[in-house]
Amino acid sequence: GQNIDQPTEMTATEGAIVQINCTYQTSGFNGLFWYQQHAGEAPTFLSYNVLDGLEEKGRFSSFLSRSKGYSYLLLKELQMKDSASYLCAVRAPSGGYQKVTFGIGTKLQVIP
Amino acid sequence: ETGVTQSPTHLIKTRGQQVTLRCSSQSGHNTVSWYQQALGQGPQFIFQYYREEENGRGNFPPRFSGLQFPNYSSELNVNALELDDSALYLCASSFGTMAGELFFGEGSRLTVL
Repeated sequence: GQNIDQPTEMTATEGAIVQINCTYQTSGFNGLFWYQQHAGEAPTFLSYNVLDGLEEKGRFSSFLSRSKGYSYLLLKELQMKDSASYLCAVRAPSGGYQKVTFGIGTKLQVIP
Repeated sequence: ETGVTQSPTHLIKTRGQQVTLRCSSQSGHNTVSWYQQALGQGPQFIFQYYREEENGRGNFPPRFSGLQFPNYSSELNVNALELDDSALYLCASSFGTMAGELFFGEGSRLTVL
């Protein structure tokens, strides 16, 4: 089976940096996604990691360590609009096909 | 905006009824995945269609079924609705099953009374 763990809630201050961790246990691995989801809206794509290391995209960075089954999403210069749920998802083989499994999501609250 | 459209956006049904949800994938995408997202939860994988064939299914009963059409749009059908089926149903399209991004539609919010 596939298991993905991430904290359910975090709070951070506007202008600060926050790191959201994700650990996973899967049989095989073919990529890890991070999505942002505002309440009542569709998830929007933030990043995709398939190799170890850090991917930077503006204020957002994502890190992957396949040997540790670990990823984090780093958000810099936090803005109020960053208050949202952040979903970690892993693609892994399952019964002959590629399945993308999502974690429960980390609800981030940015406070002034 | 991703170019993935879903309909209807909201609907209310009663227990035992049947519902059909529709998804138009982004132009050029041949793979559609359906997810169920209950309030406060992450999206749960229902099934995936690749070039009109179902090629993966999550832990959902047979009353959840689907189709993909030659233009790669897709339908999700749920029979014998139960109260626990109340959720946001998300469709995601991609080019192939190993794409580096899934493009989500806005979802269909189903309420079962």
